[in-house]
Amino acid sequence: DAGVIQSPRHEVTEMGQEVTLRCKPISGHDYLFWYRQTMMRGLELLIYFNNNVPIDDSGMPEDRFSAKMPNASFSTLKIQPSEPRDSAVYFCASSSGGMAEAFFGQGTRLTVV
Amino acid sequence: ILNVEQSPQSLHVQEGDSTNFTCSFPSSNFYALHWYRWETAKSPEALFVMTLNGDEKKKGRISATLNTKEGYSYLYIKGSQPEDSATYLCAPLGGANNLFFGTGTRLTVIP
Repeated sequence: DAGVIQSPRHEVTEMGQEVTLRCKPISGHDYLFWYRQTMMRGLELLIYFNNNVPIDDSGMPEDRFSAKMPNASFSTLKIQPSEPRDSAVYFCASSSGGMAEAFFGQGTRLTVV
Repeated sequence: ILNVEQSPQSLHVQEGDSTNFTCSFPSSNFYALHWYRWETAKSPEALFVMTLNGDEKKKGRISATLNTKEGYSYLYIKGSQPEDSATYLCAPLGGANNLFFGTGTRLTVIP
């Protein structure tokens, strides 16, 4: 398996634009996590899915953020409209359950200007 | 959201020194504790997943202990090397299977 794959690796967009981040988890993993890395808060859990169902989205900062997992091999995190304070590195991770380690993608560095 | 505290926030040690840092978490509703190592410009990688009170795990020069009754875990590095420089993250797992990470301990090993 190629591991968790995120795209794009880098995204630069203008304020107000819609941004979509993509994640392909490791095949067979039932859990998918979206994190945001910031200097102030480290790795913040935004939302996680179990068997494609969103379980906890309490970390999603605002209504501008939404996440979907239409099938077991694909998830998106969307920001609409984007703002400069959304600039961060966004990580996706997957695991086969709480007793198993999570595997992280390489992250998407988002810059909103 | 679980209240996870890691200390110290940052640490500088000389090459060859041994060091340790702490992860504190709520002891109620404990399920598992994860430790990850995060090198700059890379992604976090798992070191240990621990579940049992008194558990001790070891990988090379790095080891970890777990106290679920009082809600803490220690990570030890013996004979630190420059390549150990990284941020070490812990993430306790509550019953809901969500992984909340602490802000980490940033370790710098000075050659």
